[in-house]
Amino acid sequence: DQQVKQNSPSLSVQEGRISILNCDYTNSMFDYFLWYKKYPAEGPTFLISISSIKDKNEDGRFTVFLNKSAKHLSLHIVPSQPGDSAVYFCAGHGSSNTGKLIFGQGTTLQVKP
Amino acid sequence: DAGITQSPRHKVTETGTPVTLRCHQTENHRYMYWYRQDPGHGLRLIHYSYGVKDTDKGEVSDGYSVSRSKTEDFLLTLESATSSQTSVYFCAISETGQGIGYTFGSGTRLTVV
Repeated sequence: DQQVKQNSPSLSVQEGRISILNCDYTNSMFDYFLWYKKYPAEGPTFLISISSIKDKNEDGRFTVFLNKSAKHLSLHIVPSQPGDSAVYFCAGHGSSNTGKLIFGQGTTLQVKP
Repeated sequence: DAGITQSPRHKVTETGTPVTLRCHQTENHRYMYWYRQDPGHGLRLIHYSYGVKDTDKGEVSDGYSVSRSKTEDFLLTLESATSSQTSVYFCAISETGQGIGYTFGSGTRLTVV
């Protein structure tokens, strides 16, 4: 049972344009959601999060939108830069206090100069 | 990443042999996690720890055991390695266990031949 799904394995955009990465979830008990970014041969790094009581969170070029009725979230990167080329994972967090995150399969973003 | 070290970084082992991966942190964080990353599956939780000698299973724990005798060290053991355990293994730490902003190690690439 895949509780968090990223159905697009890859995405290619032109530098300066908007990148939109999508994520769907099935577990209504997630209390917040996170996006992580991963470069090759490195560990994932935290990018941005959103509480389940919010519908939008913005941090510089990165904005995450949450649609609870559709159980869908998206990460917008505007403007996209070549350095944004990486694998992006979304993750859901349950309400327990052990910090377990359930990750999606990841989407590889390529930003072309 | 600063404060968290995984060893070894790469390992090739034969089927049926025991293997131990080490995660060492200098942040004094209470929570530690072991994930594996595989194509098409993203990051999946193997085991986690919420204190010294306190551990619990994740979603893909079969064939793995863990131990945490000190705050700073979390060991992952494959009792008898199989080819299906060929993967990249990531350790993560969290101060609060609330899931915000894990810090991941750089990973261990394990190949079972």
